[in-house]
Amino acid sequence: DSGVTQTPKHLITATGQRVTLRCSPRSGDLSVYWYQQSLDQGLQFLIQYYNGEERAKGNILERFSAQQFPDLHSELNLSSLELGDSALYFCASTPSGTPDNEQFFGPGTRLTVL
Amino acid sequence: GQSLEQPSEVTAVEGAIVQINCTYQTSGFYGLSWYQQHDGGAPTFLSYNALDGLEETGRFSSFLSRSDSYGYLLLQELQMKDSASYFCAVVNTGGFKTIFGAGTRLFVKA
Repeated sequence: DSGVTQTPKHLITATGQRVTLRCSPRSGDLSVYWYQQSLDQGLQFLIQYYNGEERAKGNILERFSAQQFPDLHSELNLSSLELGDSALYFCASTPSGTPDNEQFFGPGTRLTVL
Repeated sequence: GQSLEQPSEVTAVEGAIVQINCTYQTSGFYGLSWYQQHDGGAPTFLSYNALDGLEETGRFSSFLSRSDSYGYLLLQELQMKDSASYFCAVVNTGGFKTIFGAGTRLFVKA
């Protein structure tokens, strides 16, 4: 158990819908990262937040947005969902905003878009 | 662009040694990390190389050569439980983006 929690574990929805994925980092960690992993694919970096502020941005679609709240939990919002958005979504956390070598990953949310 | 290349699959027998290579094209990065991911599970950190050379952590070792744009993960005394996917990753110096390789699926046979 990494100490990072993600909810829900599974999510099934329809095309065109909007969902929110939630992540709570390890106690004391200030940075949260979001990744997308499609079937049998690598991890695609979406976005990083540090202490409430956006720190780095990857190939995140305009239909996706994220934020980190004062209590440091983070939410990833996915809208106008398409079939291709079906994937595992992981969040990870690290203690600081500097490039931390070891990221601690949550168990993931499996999103299925029908 | 920035990319990390890994073999898609490697097969080895229990008790053997296997090396998983990672070659990269990136303008600058802080170091090379390795993660393990079992099917249906989350990635877990294995090793990190900030400098050139070999880092050893138990049965796992990792190597980096910045001049050759190359690194590898070495797994010794393979066990069945080592069957998993292995990813190399870097954080680039321009923008702090984390880049993962596509992963190498390791099959350990009895």
